Amino acid sequence: EIVLTQSPGTLSLSPGERATLSCRPSQNVSSSFLAWYQQKPGQAPRLLIYGASSGATGIPDRFSGSGSGTEFTLSISRLEPEDFAVYYCQQYGNSPKTFGQGTKVEI
Amino acid sequence: EVQLLESGGGLVQAGGSLRLSCAASGFSFNIYAMSWVRQAPGKGLEWVSGIRGSGATTEYADSVKGRFTISRDNSKNTVHLQMNSLRAEDTAKYYCAKGSYNGNYHYFESWGQGTLVTVSS
Repeated sequence: EIVLTQSPGTLSLSPGERATLSCRPSQNVSSSFLAWYQQKPGQAPRLLIYGASSGATGIPDRFSGSGSGTEFTLSISRLEPEDFAVYYCQQYGNSPKTFGQGTKVEI
Repeated sequence: EVQLLESGGGLVQAGGSLRLSCAASGFSFNIYAMSWVRQAPGKGLEWVSGIRGSGATTEYADSVKGRFTISRDNSKNTVHLQMNSLRAEDTAKYYCAKGSYNGNYHYFESWGQGTLVTVSS
């Protein structure tokens, strides 16, 4: 199975700053079948990005995804207070579908 | 609006069984793949099982293969997860998730709020 390694484990930033999160698959992720999810405490995950760079419905444009193959990035251009959460990447091009271990973005 | 409502979680002894259900509404249920994803307390997300729209194709994570069975009833817009031979490591919140379409390469568009399964040893 494809193992996804996210870094850093925790990102400490202030509102208004830019956040850059990394996701590195252990094997090539075909056709950029990579998604990003946001999870806040006590809530279900929410889809942010699919296809490595396409924003899900209703997601603010300060969230953007990029990358291909074995290196992907989620960027948040200017952190809002509601963006402090845990972010997971997930590959869906190979079975089983696997998630990274998460990056916590904290104030 | 897509809604996914899980039920059936609870406390069970190791070796026991539980059946989770997910009631779906707000979309054409029978043309979307559905999955169960779990999250152990304080841990990350783990895909558990998936089923295509017709119900003919199912998949399982190695960690649950042979113990869990996924099924769906398209007449009732529900998906189920029968969990047998439960272990302490199955303790988690179980989320029902709607696939982005019916094919193999789908991500999870919508999620329910989850149902908690606790297995005591």
